[in-house]
Amino acid sequence: QVQLVQSGAEIKTPGASVRVSCEASGYTFSNYGFTWVRQAPGQGLEWVGWISAYTGDTKFAQRLQGRVTLTTDTSTGTAYMELRSLTSDDTAVYYCARDSPAAAVSPLEYWGQGTLVTVSS
Amino acid sequence: QSVLTQPPSVSGAPGQRVTISCTGSGSNIGAGFDVHWYQHLPGRVPKLLISNNVNRPSGVPDRFSGSKSGTSASLAITGLQAEDEADYYCQSYDSSLRGSRVFGGGTKLSVL
Repeated sequence: QVQLVQSGAEIKTPGASVRVSCEASGYTFSNYGFTWVRQAPGQGLEWVGWISAYTGDTKFAQRLQGRVTLTTDTSTGTAYMELRSLTSDDTAVYYCARDSPAAAVSPLEYWGQGTLVTVSS
Repeated sequence: QSVLTQPPSVSGAPGQRVTISCTGSGSNIGAGFDVHWYQHLPGRVPKLLISNNVNRPSGVPDRFSGSKSGTSASLAITGLQAEDEADYYCQSYDSSLRGSRVFGGGTKLSVL
């Protein structure tokens, strides 16, 4: 069965960077992509970005452009999200979800369990 | 402010029917891009409820249905149950935002 397992909670200071991993299993990794979504405390779901595990193409939310990097490692079946220059506004639960390998949106049927990133001095 | 607009909250009594709207524009829903709906319970992982405007994934009760018309989409829930109390989000694709996936702001459903 399809499983996405994310790395554990992180506590970071303002200005630092964080990398969250998402290990996939149960399907052919390079046939799909990943969308990353976050939810800040008391807020709704916010799309962070998308990467194709097939082509490596990426797209990002405009407000995060320049601070976020998405990568995949086909050899280990793992997707990564790195967010730099953290501020308290980046405190959120970050989710990975399996997505289309192409630009067109596909429904997000499989999700990781979420990773809490806390930014605090 | 979300590109897709949802009412912040809706409510209904057990057994009643409620609808949640998702209003977009000509660069997303109105351009023909599909809408997906998710149910998010506190402390849980979002769950796909409706895919491609009207399709229910396996295991989703037929009390949940989706529709789409013009620049809007709707999620209908009939026979409300206490366990339906959750946040609901619509999602689509917006061609004006460098090919971004976009979520609605979310709607809190309260079962009275």
